[in-house]
Amino acid sequence: EPEVTQTPSHQVTQMGQEVILRCVPISNHLYFYWYRQILGQKVEFLVSFYNNEISEKSEIFDDQFSVERPDGSNFTLKIRSTKLEDSAMYFCASKLGTGGIELFFGEGSRLTVL
Amino acid sequence: TQLLEQSPQFLSIQEGENLTVYCNSSSVFSSLQWYRQEPGEGPVLLVTVVTGGEVKKLKRLTFQFGDARKDSSLHITAAQTGDTGLYLCAGAGGSNYKLTFGKGTLLTVNP
Repeated sequence: EPEVTQTPSHQVTQMGQEVILRCVPISNHLYFYWYRQILGQKVEFLVSFYNNEISEKSEIFDDQFSVERPDGSNFTLKIRSTKLEDSAMYFCASKLGTGGIELFFGEGSRLTVL
Repeated sequence: TQLLEQSPQFLSIQEGENLTVYCNSSSVFSSLQWYRQEPGEGPVLLVTVVTGGEVKKLKRLTFQFGDARKDSSLHITAAQTGDTGLYLCAGAGGSNYKLTFGKGTLLTVNP
């Protein structure tokens, strides 16, 4: 069964370092998303991406964050200079297309900022 | 800002019991999705409800979408220990189909 895959599963980094989280969405999906979940809190929307550009972003998604689809399969989230409060699970999700109504999530990447 | 309130936040029951968890909002959603999440893993989609008043059944799980598309419920019949987990509801809206999540109901089914 097709699934969204994410790497790394866990990354530990020092404050101020750059981090890139990678996602391979389901192959025929056209909408891509990043969500995050701080420990003990709810899943929060970060950004949606369609047709090679950001279609919507939340207040959380400030200038330190960027997304990219460098090739036909990968979808990345970059955090330029990590802060302690960026520690969270980051989930990638994808959706089929305009007619699709279901988002499928990856297993997540746990980011720990020390 | 759209908000989804889930209740109860925690639920601990014995195997074989029935339970209902609720997801409520003051906002209308184009659809509502229920997910189950295990610790350290991503949300796994259980069901999507789209039409007001819709009822969907998935084995022992029954999902209902309110007539006004603002609320939903999940009913589990004869709970099993394998049903233990965090149940999340998420409402979809907007042209980008952004999901707004509730905080979840943490269900523990004791043997």
